[in-house]
Order: sequence, then C-alpha cells, then structure tokens
Amino acid sequence: GQNIDQPTEMTATEGAIVQINCTYQTSGFNGLFWYQQHAGEAPTFLSYNVLDGLEEKGRFSSFLSRSKGYSYLLLKELQMKDSASYLCAVPSASGGSYIPTFGRGTSLIVHP
Amino acid sequence: ETGVTQSPTHLIKTRGQQVTLRCSSQSGHNTVSWYQQALGQGPQFIFQYYREEENGRGNFPPRFSGLQFPNYSSELNVNALLLGDSALYLCASTQVGGGLQTQYFGPGTRLLVL
Repeated sequence: GQNIDQPTEMTATEGAIVQINCTYQTSGFNGLFWYQQHAGEAPTFLSYNVLDGLEEKGRFSSFLSRSKGYSYLLLKELQMKDSASYLCAVPSASGGSYIPTFGRGTSLIVHP
Repeated sequence: ETGVTQSPTHLIKTRGQQVTLRCSSQSGHNTVSWYQQALGQGPQFIFQYYREEENGRGNFPPRFSGLQFPNYSSELNVNALLLGDSALYLCASTQVGGGLQTQYFGPGTRLLVL
C-alpha cells in the first residue's frame, strides 16, 4: 500500500522561501507528483519527479530522494497568491493505469 | 480553465437519497477518474473509466458506481447517501498513456448530506 505524510499547515512571509516536505512509503515507485489547490478550486499539476535530484521550474522547485522516500517542494519569492494547499501524490500501477494516492495536503499561508 | 466541466457545482441531499454527478472530459481525453475530497484531506481515488469500462477502483463500497459514455462524458452515482459522503467530488480526465501529469481536474461538485 501507499502511505504519505506531509505537514498540515505552514506559514511564511511574502518574498521569503518555504520548503514543504513529503515522506512516502510505497510498494512500487512510479514517480511523485506535486499539486497546488486553491480553496474551493480543483488541484492543478505543479511537478513530477521520477529520478533523484532537484527539478526547477521558475519560482517552484521539487526534489526527490528515492532511497529516503522523501520529496520537497521549494517555493521562492513567495507571493500572496501562493497561499493554497500543496498536495503530494504517489501513483501505483493498477492494470493499464496509474492510480494516485494523495497526501492530506499542506495548507500554506503567506503573510504580507 | 482545464476544459473539464462538472455539474452541478453544489448539491444538498438527505441521508438515504441517491445522487448523480456529471463530468464532461476535455476534448481528446478518453479516460476519466473520480475522486472524493473531504474537508482538510487530499483527494481519495474512487474509480477510473476507460472506453466505458471500469479500469481501476479505490477502497469505496459498491454503492459508488459510475458510467462513461461514448462521448467520454461520465457520471458518478452514489446510493443510500450517508452523512460521511459529504465532500467535494472531483473528476479528472487524461489521455491514456499521457501520464498523470496530463490529468486535468474539473472544478468539482460540493455535496452536502444532511
């Protein structure tokens, strides 16, 4: 089975850097996803890591260590609009598809 | 805008009733997944449909059922509603082989069971 753990809530200041951690346990690794979900809206895809290391995409970067079962999402130059829930998800193979297991999400609050 | 639409946006039902939620997939996407998201939780996978057949199911009882139509729109049906079924129901569409990074979520239907 899959087990994902991430902090419930984090706060940060506008312009700062924040790191949101995710640890996972899975029987078969098929990559790790990060999604952003604003209150009352649908999740939107941020990043996908399947190999170890850091992947940078603008102000957002995602890191993966498969041996440690660990990932983090790094948000730089925080803006007020970054206040949202950040979901870590790990897919497992099922038939011809991949079924994601989501963590409960980390609610990020950005203060002025 | 992801091109995935859901209806209705909000719905109130009472215990024991039945509900049907609808989803229209993005053009060209032939796979649809349904998720239940309780308040303060991540989405929980209910099931997935591909070419009108169920193609994977999460840990949900049989009173959660679905349909996918030839035009790739789909329905989620829930019978004998319980208070605990109150949640945001999300559908997401993707092209088979496209990977979850190409999965697009709809805006969701918020269901309240009284």
